[in-house]
Amino acid sequence: GAVVSQHPSRVICKSGTSVKIECRSLDFQATTMFWYRQFPKKSLMLMATSNEGSKATYEQGVEKDKFLINHASLTLSTLTVTSAHPEDSSFYICSARGGVYGYTFGSGTRLTVV
Amino acid sequence: AQKITQTQPGMFVQEKEAVTLDCTYDTSDQSYGLFWYKQPSSGEMIFLIYQGSYDEQNATEGRYSLNFQKARKSANLVISASQLGDSAMYFCAMREGGGHYGQNFVFGPGTRLSVLP
Repeated sequence: GAVVSQHPSRVICKSGTSVKIECRSLDFQATTMFWYRQFPKKSLMLMATSNEGSKATYEQGVEKDKFLINHASLTLSTLTVTSAHPEDSSFYICSARGGVYGYTFGSGTRLTVV
Repeated sequence: AQKITQTQPGMFVQEKEAVTLDCTYDTSDQSYGLFWYKQPSSGEMIFLIYQGSYDEQNATEGRYSLNFQKARKSANLVISASQLGDSAMYFCAMREGGGHYGQNFVFGPGTRLSVLP
């Protein structure tokens, strides 16, 4: 079946540094991927839609300069949190269009900014 | 207005008993898909079950079944014979629009299920 690999699963970084999170579709091509953010005990909030070879579409209120998304190949999308601050600490999860029912999720990344 | 409503923020169930997690949805599309995901404390989203809007039979996957009542726009998840490992957050989600991917994918607020020994 369709598998989406997300790395790293956990990352701790210092305030002011940048962190890159990768989302790979392992056995299918994903022209469209999605990035979500999840606050503790809350549901998933769509941040942006990433299309291969074009600019990402960001949801209202999401800073595109803070959360850089690159989808340079049919199997890889990356989310870079630039100049991270403690308020960026969260759980980030990606999904890709693909699989039997249309959407397959990665396992998520827990980001802690200290 | 919320597209997906899960009215139970938290639920408790005794081990080995059945439990129903509620989900109602709102869409004007004729073609849509309904999903249930389980999210344990590790964070990964585990796909449980899918129901297409045109499916006449309720979906079942092992201990999971989806009670689909289209006229009521309800898609409740039933877990039979609860196990301790079922303790997790459960999200109802909907893919709106036709085709394999639809136009939109939305999540409900989630229900935290705790299974008691």
